[in-house]
Amino acid sequence: DVKVTQSSRYLVKRTGEKVFLECVQDMDHENMFWYRQDPGLGLRLIYFSYDVKMKEKGDIPEGYSVSREKKERFSLILESASTNQTSMYLCASSRTSGRGEEETQYFGPGTRLLVL
Amino acid sequence: DQQVKQNSPSLSVQEGRISILNCDYTNSMFDYFLWYKKYPAEGPTFLISISSIKDKNEDGRFTVFLNKSAKHLSLHIVPSQPGDSAVYFCAAIYSGNTPLVFGKGTRLSVIA
Repeated sequence: DVKVTQSSRYLVKRTGEKVFLECVQDMDHENMFWYRQDPGLGLRLIYFSYDVKMKEKGDIPEGYSVSREKKERFSLILESASTNQTSMYLCASSRTSGRGEEETQYFGPGTRLLVL
Repeated sequence: DQQVKQNSPSLSVQEGRISILNCDYTNSMFDYFLWYKKYPAEGPTFLISISSIKDKNEDGRFTVFLNKSAKHLSLHIVPSQPGDSAVYFCAAIYSGNTPLVFGKGTRLSVIA
């Protein structure tokens, strides 16, 4: 079974703090993703990575950065947290095969972040 | 512009009846479609998928239908159970071009 873990389930931070969200997958997947989920807005892609040290902007990258130093680990960084970044953050991973049916994304349990 | 649309934000169904969740897409390049289920405070879990070369895929109580000409897919749950109450996301991909494109989700409530 694919396992994607996230470092925290719940996190409370203050405006202006630097926040690190960590994600680890154990299936040797090439691709990793960070989303945020907000009511009525669905899942919005923040950043993704096809390989170590590679990153691509998603739909809403502003205010975020990422780091992928190892294949199994993908970190999301909020350089200076703001209240509008209060959200549920979801990490996912998938393999690259060129065949859609093999590229299912598997999600971690999520981190609920509250910025005060 | 949304490439994957779930036009019903919510749906209520009685226990034992059929639940039908709908999804429309605009990009004809998509060749694989997935449904995810999400409970509150948990990550989405993969439910069922279908390749564009098929028009139906079944897994127990869950069936996904694909109508390529209409660019429409639907998820049928029969019979619906209270434990099926969750948010359901439709997603699409075209091979070799990650990431998935998600709809905004439909909240299903199954009433006992």
